[in-house]
Amino acid sequence: QKEVEQNSGPLSVPEGAIASLNCTYSDRGSQSFFWYRQYSGKSPELIMSIYSNGDKEDGRFTAQLNKASQYVSLLIRDSQPSDSATYLCAVNRGFKTIFGAGTRLFVKA
Amino acid sequence: KAGVTQTPRYLIKTRGQQVTLSCSPISGHRSVSWYQQTPGQGLQFLFEYFSETQRNKGNFPGRFSGRQFSNSRSEMNVSTLELGDSALYLCASNGQGYSDTQYFGPGTRLTVL
Repeated sequence: QKEVEQNSGPLSVPEGAIASLNCTYSDRGSQSFFWYRQYSGKSPELIMSIYSNGDKEDGRFTAQLNKASQYVSLLIRDSQPSDSATYLCAVNRGFKTIFGAGTRLFVKA
Repeated sequence: KAGVTQTPRYLIKTRGQQVTLSCSPISGHRSVSWYQQTPGQGLQFLFEYFSETQRNKGNFPGRFSGRQFSNSRSEMNVSTLELGDSALYLCASNGQGYSDTQYFGPGTRLTVL
């Protein structure tokens, strides 16, 4: 079992729709959770971080964390073509951050 | 504030050679992590340094090594290169390395022929 699992996609949504990205992790001791966006040929950049159970909203992005279910999700509202990228879920415990393989998102204009 | 810088950006080597990659973190950041990214394996953790000490390492062979200097700059070295080492090597820095956001450099694209 991988430490951090994501559906590789591609996930295709029409412009203006909600994109839902999911991630599960295996280490119950994980403490911090992140979503990064990576455009083709570029390095990852942080979108959201979340540390406690519940929802955290930032603009069009909402991160959700459920530690009991070991589940993290990212919702992107009003999806735009510029949101087309690979989304990486990352989980931190101590001095080690483990990344999922990423979900490719395509937003169709 | 300047971001994370990595040199060189591109590198072509042949099997059996060794390579050294360099990373300068954001000013004031003392933690540097290295990752290998390939299409098949995604982003894989290599090691993390803080104040010149390796605090954690991933599951890579001993051919992969690193170090950190007193100014927080870090280098990673890969000896006896194999074709499978072709990848994008990313360096990330953060303030403490503990539950902090990682800020990534542009990466070094290594091609092994």
